[in-house]
Amino acid sequence: DADVTQTPRNRITKTGKRIMLECSQTKGHDRMYWYRQDPGLGLRLIYYSFDVKDINKGEISDGYSVSRQAQAKFSLSLESAIPNQTALYFCATSETGGWDEQYFGPGTRLTVT
Amino acid sequence: GNSVTQMEGPVTLSEEAFLTINCTYTATGYPSLFWYVQYPGEGLQLLLKATKADDKGSNKGFEATYRKETTSFHLEKGSVQVSDSAVYFCALSDLSGGSNYKLTFGKGTLLTVNP
Repeated sequence: DADVTQTPRNRITKTGKRIMLECSQTKGHDRMYWYRQDPGLGLRLIYYSFDVKDINKGEISDGYSVSRQAQAKFSLSLESAIPNQTALYFCATSETGGWDEQYFGPGTRLTVT
Repeated sequence: GNSVTQMEGPVTLSEEAFLTINCTYTATGYPSLFWYVQYPGEGLQLLLKATKADDKGSNKGFEATYRKETTSFHLEKGSVQVSDSAVYFCALSDLSGGSNYKLTFGKGTLLTVNP
């Protein structure tokens, strides 16, 4: 079984809808991250969490919110989706700081029409 | 702030050709440097890393040397295979300045290897 799983893998939604992307990990790590990937822009950090009680904004948090339900679960929500949130979203986890290897999920491809 | 610049792709090579993907960085402190690879339809996975100047990271025939004097971490492989076709990301983690929680990624370089 994969160490980091994401659901759904693909989603098409309409402008204005609320959507939640879910992430689960079996690595036992405290740190979890949400990134978005856009063609030609690399990966940009949306939110990160050091543990269940410690959640922080990343570079591009506007329009997003997160919930850390347990050590193993970290969800990303788009409260009111807009077309420029169309992207590939990745969840990742690491044992310690950014210098440690990050383990990525397979990604969720989100299309907002 | 921190930034990573890597050569733009796409890069198309024939099997057994030599590969170089250039990566240079700007950092305020003493970064660790990484190459991640993303195979089609998958998430990123760590390919190799180096944590201090002159370190060489290596894995699966790929190598990269941390060059502080030129602020570079170029990825090389002597003989590529079709299975190496993927997107390659250079990244850094700066251990100073309070930003040690995050990776800063380059934009990625798409490599296609033809048989």
